[in-house]
Amino acid sequence: NAGVTQTPKFRVLKTGQSMTLLCAQDMNHEYMYWYRQDPGMGLRLIHYSVGEGTTAKGEVPDGYNVSRLKKQNFLLGLESAAPSQTSVYFCASGTGRLNEQFFGPGTRLTVL
Amino acid sequence: DAKTTQPTSMDCAEGRAANLPCNHSTISGNEYVYWYRQIHSQGPQYIIHGLKNNETNEMASLIITEDRKSSTLILPHATLRDTAVYYCIVRVGGAGAQKLVFGQGTRLTINP
Repeated sequence: NAGVTQTPKFRVLKTGQSMTLLCAQDMNHEYMYWYRQDPGMGLRLIHYSVGEGTTAKGEVPDGYNVSRLKKQNFLLGLESAAPSQTSVYFCASGTGRLNEQFFGPGTRLTVL
Repeated sequence: DAKTTQPTSMDCAEGRAANLPCNHSTISGNEYVYWYRQIHSQGPQYIIHGLKNNETNEMASLIITEDRKSSTLILPHATLRDTAVYYCIVRVGGAGAQKLVFGQGTRLTINP
């Protein structure tokens, strides 16, 4: 039981490049989330999903797109990366209850 | 959602009880107090939550004042591994598309 895994762990992009971050969970959770965390700050919600085939905007969705084609996977895409998107990205999955949200190890992204 | 106020940082000696305060003076009757922590570079981890009664689990105790305007997270015998950022989050509980909202938290350092 791996829990929540994220791929890749680290990535460096140039401005304007695109990439996709993959989140996978093996807990059969309906809900999945993408957060970003900037230095010295708390996490901010980018997008989330309440089930396969659904997505919704969070607090800071601009510049990101997401897809949930399979229940176990939640993809976060950056179509044209900007230096302001340099951050650590955390994925989480859960049951919908706030005490049952489980986080992945994070992806550290640097945009030059 | 109720706003929370936490000290920016705290220190505690190893083996002592760590008491982390949180003020939430505008909390509503149906809002719960949740605590998460984030150990360096890892994803956040759920600790405990409560509505109005004191709660205890294998990780910590949560003391909520009678007027519910503040609470204290207690780590009874702090170890070096408890060094982390602790987030107090006030949200409506229950199931559904509930989303965590993180502030800046309290950086707790356990000293040997």
